[in-house]
Amino acid sequence: SFVLTQPPSVSVAPGKTARITCGGNNIGSETVHWYQQKPGQAPVLVIYFDSDRPSGIPARFSGSKSGTTATLTISRVEAGDEADYYCQVWDSSSDHRVFGGGTKLTVL
Amino acid sequence: EVQLLESGGGFVQPGGSLRLSCAASGFTFSNYAMSWVRQAPGKGLEWVSGISGSGGSTYYADSVKGRFTISRDNSKHTLYLEMNSLRAEDTAIYYCAKDNCGGTCDSHWFDSWGQGTLATVSA
Repeated sequence: SFVLTQPPSVSVAPGKTARITCGGNNIGSETVHWYQQKPGQAPVLVIYFDSDRPSGIPARFSGSKSGTTATLTISRVEAGDEADYYCQVWDSSSDHRVFGGGTKLTVL
Repeated sequence: EVQLLESGGGFVQPGGSLRLSCAASGFTFSNYAMSWVRQAPGKGLEWVSGISGSGGSTYYADSVKGRFTISRDNSKHTLYLEMNSLRAEDTAIYYCAKDNCGGTCDSHWFDSWGQGTLATVSA
């Protein structure tokens, strides 16, 4: 089964670029999706299909994938971007959805 | 606008049962797969169970298989999760989540979420 590994925390200064990684042996064969969750709120989809943005998500959010690692990049970070971020894949062999452990983004 | 409204959470003793509901609106409910995703206090997201648009296929995480049952009533636009033999580790906010797809797709993700309902299992 899939295991997705994320760093527990990432810190970045306002205006800088934050990069959040999601690693897994099978990531190369599946597409990765990303969610943002602010305290006390439900998750919100920010990236799907590795790099596509839903309508309403700022272009500062982008996704990429190389080898066994997917990356969520947030450019020109703002205080409002402080949140937990989760990666997710679909395991096509079992039809299960799998989440990474989550990364807390702190804006310094 | 897609709206998902969960209900049914509450306090229950270990070994007890709860039935969660999710009322959906703003989209053609029967066209989309749905899932339940939970989040224990201070922890990350955990996918619990999913069901196809027709209700003919269901899927469960190993942690709940044999104890939880997912179902849907497309005529009522409502998703359910019957939770039996509850354990302390089932304590969590349970979110209802709409899948991007109802049938065969290249991948699956959640494009809409409810606000969640809290289930607390404690003696």
